[in-house]
This record gives sequence, C-alpha cells and structure tokens, in this order.
Amino acid sequence: AQSVTQPDIHITVSEGASLELRCNYSYGATPYLFWYVQSPGQGLQLLLKYFSGDTLVQGIKGFEAEFKRSQSSFNLRKPSVHWSDAAEYFCAVGADNDYKLSFGAGTTVTVRA
Amino acid sequence: SQTIHQWPATLVQPVGSPLSLECTVEGTSNPNLYWYRQAAGRGLQLLFYSVGIGQISSEVPQNLSASRPQDRQFILSSKKLLLSDSGFYLCAWSSGTGKYEQYFGPGTRLTVT
Repeated sequence: AQSVTQPDIHITVSEGASLELRCNYSYGATPYLFWYVQSPGQGLQLLLKYFSGDTLVQGIKGFEAEFKRSQSSFNLRKPSVHWSDAAEYFCAVGADNDYKLSFGAGTTVTVRA
Repeated sequence: SQTIHQWPATLVQPVGSPLSLECTVEGTSNPNLYWYRQAAGRGLQLLFYSVGIGQISSEVPQNLSASRPQDRQFILSSKKLLLSDSGFYLCAWSSGTGKYEQYFGPGTRLTVT
C-alpha cells in the first residue's frame, strides 16, 4: 500500500519569502500525487495534482510542485508567500484501481509580517 | 460544475445521543463518496467510502456507520455518541472514472459534551 511522509510539522516563513514543503511517498509503481490546502475551519482545497508527463506541475494560488521519482518526492513550492497562505498543507498519494488516497499528517504554515 | 454540501456546519450533542450528518453532491453522477474525521491537531482519518448505492466500506471499527441511500447522498450516523467522536467531519467525492482525485466539502464541526 502507498504511504506519505511530510517531515515538517510546522514551518514559519516571512511574507514575501519563498516556501518549500516536503513530501515523500512510498509506492512501487507510478503514483498519483496531490497537494491540498486547508484553512482553519474549512474543507480541503486541491492545489495541484500529478498523474504523468511533465514532472513540474503548476497549481492554483501560484503554487508548483516537482515530482522526483529518484527521490520519491513531490515537494510543493511558492516563490513569494502572502499572509493568506497561512494554512495547513496536505500531501496525498493514490494509485491505479485504488479508490482511496493516503494523506500525510500535514504541515502547518505560519506567515509572519 | 460540481458542488458538495454538508450539513449541519456545526453541531453540539450530548454523550449517548444519536447522530446524523448528511453530504450531497451536485453536478456529477456515480461518484465515489468518502467520510473523513479530523481530531484536534491531527491529520485525516478515513472512516468510510462508497463506490455505489448501498455499497459501504468501513476503514475503522467504531460506533459510527454510513449509508448511501441515493447516488449522490452520503450519510454518517451513530446511535450513541461518545466523547471521542468529537472532531471535524469531512465528506469528499471523486469521479468514478477518473484518477480518484478527491474534492472536499466544507465540513461539520461536532462537539460531544
């Protein structure tokens, strides 16, 4: 079965600085990879997804992620964070013929002025 | 476009009382449906999923149950709530023919007193 590790529980970043959130997955074949964002008291919103093809994927809100098969990673990046990016971010992995996604434990991002 | 609704948004219930949370999806047919729970400060726990009417898979043994009486309706129930049932409940859907990316509802905050 597939699994996901998000090594960073909490990250603090200054407004305007770059952000990178780490995600490592475990799966024997090509995974389907996702990043979601959750603001306090809200549901999860899909930021971006990777199924195949170009390993650098663009998402909403200025986020991008890069799939690196050799490192089993799918890190999320944003060049310049805004105060509104303060939220919890979840990485998830899926697989063919599996209706379920495996979610990481999440990374909380705090943005300081 | 597809939308997902959950109600109620918040609920305070005494221990031992019954529970019914409802989730409906619009704009799609034959979706896969999911119930998750987030306990305070913790990640997502998949409770149930359904790939069709009357088809329910349980992921975690507990005093909760789920039903799918109609194609786009998913209900989470309990006969007697426990304090440990408190949390944030999220419903999600995915396409029955896609790569299983999931889209989440706004959630229900349940407090058991």
